[in-house]
Amino acid sequence: GNSVTQMEGPVTLSEEAFLTINCTYTATGYPSLFWYVQYPGEGLQLLLKATKADDKGSNKGFEATYRKETTSFHLEKGSVQVSDSAVYFCALSSPDSSYKLIFGSGTRLLVRP
Amino acid sequence: KAGVTQTPRYLIKTRGQQVTLSCSPISGHRSVSWYQQTPGQGLQFLFEYFSETQRNKGNFPGRFSGRQFSNSRSEMNVSTLELGDSALYLCASSLGKGGSYEQYFGPGTRLTVT
Repeated sequence: GNSVTQMEGPVTLSEEAFLTINCTYTATGYPSLFWYVQYPGEGLQLLLKATKADDKGSNKGFEATYRKETTSFHLEKGSVQVSDSAVYFCALSSPDSSYKLIFGSGTRLLVRP
Repeated sequence: KAGVTQTPRYLIKTRGQQVTLSCSPISGHRSVSWYQQTPGQGLQFLFEYFSETQRNKGNFPGRFSGRQFSNSRSEMNVSTLELGDSALYLCASSLGKGGSYEQYFGPGTRLTVT
């Protein structure tokens, strides 16, 4: 079945450091890929998405590129801020799983001033 | 445009009781999905409704049920509560079905079963 694997957290960085959170997926066909962010005590917010191979999603300085050859969708940001501290979820949506979102386990990011 | 709203935000129930959670989607959105979030199992899909019809169901026991009304508002019900049902229940709405349709999440209902 379809699945998403994320790097284990927590990830602790100093402000202005470079961020990478790895995400790989297993799916048949051509899924859409998403990154969601969850701040403490809140629901999920869509951060970015990509719907086909080689698409790059970007938002608020975050980027991720849909790599079909490596089945990956790694999240990157060039310079993190304390306000980026949150839990980040990689997810996929695929027609063969009726478009329900399948999430990775989440990666907690802590940015220190 | 108002976002997805969920009520109540917090709930404490006793084992064996039942509970009903409510979700109001973004205006114009016809699809509503429910997810359960726990520290152990992560985010798991419960079910999806579109135009008052359940279109998809996750791997949860029959104690978990839901419905959608003609105004797209949705409710989920959990009967005979167990301690393991303690979780954050998230509702998401979207315009339609398909990978290009983004799902927008509400703040969730935190259910504690004692």
